[in-house]
Amino acid sequence: DGGITQSPKYLFRKEGQNVTLSCEQNLNHDAMYWYRQDPGQGLRLIYYSQIVNDFQKGDIAEGYSVSREKKESFPLTVTSAQKNPTAFYLCASSILGREGSPLHFGNGTRLTVT
Amino acid sequence: GQNIDQPTEMTATEGAIVQINCTYQTSGFNGLFWYQQHAGEAPTFLSYNVLDGLEEKGRFSSFLSRSKGYSYLLLKELQMKDSASYLCAVVDSNYQLIWGAGTKLIIKP
Repeated sequence: DGGITQSPKYLFRKEGQNVTLSCEQNLNHDAMYWYRQDPGQGLRLIYYSQIVNDFQKGDIAEGYSVSREKKESFPLTVTSAQKNPTAFYLCASSILGREGSPLHFGNGTRLTVT
Repeated sequence: GQNIDQPTEMTATEGAIVQINCTYQTSGFNGLFWYQQHAGEAPTFLSYNVLDGLEEKGRFSSFLSRSKGYSYLLLKELQMKDSASYLCAVVDSNYQLIWGAGTKLIIKP
């Protein structure tokens, strides 16, 4: 079955450490996205990519970095510069250029930084 | 600024009908999505509206009025498994998705 896999489901880190969240899709989608979800707020876009080796900042990119070396993979690194990294992180993918094409989400990674 | 408003929480009874509203003020409009999200899980696609009117899909229907900046999701014959958060998202003039904070729906027996 095609889908998006995020790993790990839960991640714990000490303040000051960088951490990388994995996202892999086998849907053959061109576009991939990283969102952050906090209680009481809508999903906020961190980064997105529409093609391999290219990506764009979203609304809250500061303190995060990404890479898109393969179509299937879009890892997110949460750096020590991110002031409030504890959150639920969602990766998504979609078909490009088709009106109404929905996002397909992974099951998320809950990151806790202490 | 851009804004999507949804009620924070709603409660309904198993077997009943519930309507979850979403109002939006965005820079342009290119469609509206509804997603369902169970706690700690991925949001899953429910519906997409780009023209005014009602779209029915089984127990779930979604309505859009572009002139009023308003949509609702209607859930009929509620089941316990419908307990979840329901997210409204609007595609703006730049084809960016603007998300509401979601409505937590609690179903009671």
